[in-house]
Amino acid sequence: AQKITQTQPGMFVQEKEAVTLDCTYDTSDPSYGLFWYKQPSSGEMIFLIYQGSYDQQNATEGRYSLNFQKARKSANLVISASQLGDSAMYFCAMRSTQGGSEKLVFGKGMKLTVNP
Amino acid sequence: KAGVTQTPRYLIKTRGQQVTLSCSPISGHRSVSWYQQTPGQGLQFLFEYFSETQRNKGNFPGRFSGRQFSNSRSEMNVSTLELGDSALYLCASSRTERGTDTQYFGPGTRLTVL
Repeated sequence: AQKITQTQPGMFVQEKEAVTLDCTYDTSDPSYGLFWYKQPSSGEMIFLIYQGSYDQQNATEGRYSLNFQKARKSANLVISASQLGDSAMYFCAMRSTQGGSEKLVFGKGMKLTVNP
Repeated sequence: KAGVTQTPRYLIKTRGQQVTLSCSPISGHRSVSWYQQTPGQGLQFLFEYFSETQRNKGNFPGRFSGRQFSNSRSEMNVSTLELGDSALYLCASSRTERGTDTQYFGPGTRLTVL
């Protein structure tokens, strides 16, 4: 069974600083995808970044980058130059990419607060 | 391109009633998935539809059902509502059912059962 672990319940960071959000995963599937989503207090889940298990390079999307360490089964999200609008819940998720229609499995999330 | 839309955004029902939630995917997306989010259980997968067929189902009782129409719009129905069904129900769409396709979420329907 697939499992996502996010152990940090909450983090505080100063505006303009970089922050790393931890995510470890467990799966027996050789092919899978890792996703990070942001959920502001409004409730909508916003897609941030995707990393495929066979991707050779770490994914980057603007201020977001993913520190993918396959051997350690970790997929940490790095946010550079934090902004006040980054304050939200962040969820790491995983989905098998072999076969079809595998469900997206989420971690419990962590709350990031950016202080001015 | 318009995002995923969900209606209604808020709903208040009483125990024993039934409810139908609607989801319109991003144009061109053929896969729709539904999730339930509660403070205690987090995000839990309900079901996924692709091309009007249910492709995957989570661990929920039969009171939870869904369907997808030929235009990819989807509805989920919860019958005989219980207090524990109070949650944020999120719908997500993707181009296909493949695991590499990113799921984009709607704003959710917040259901309160009294």
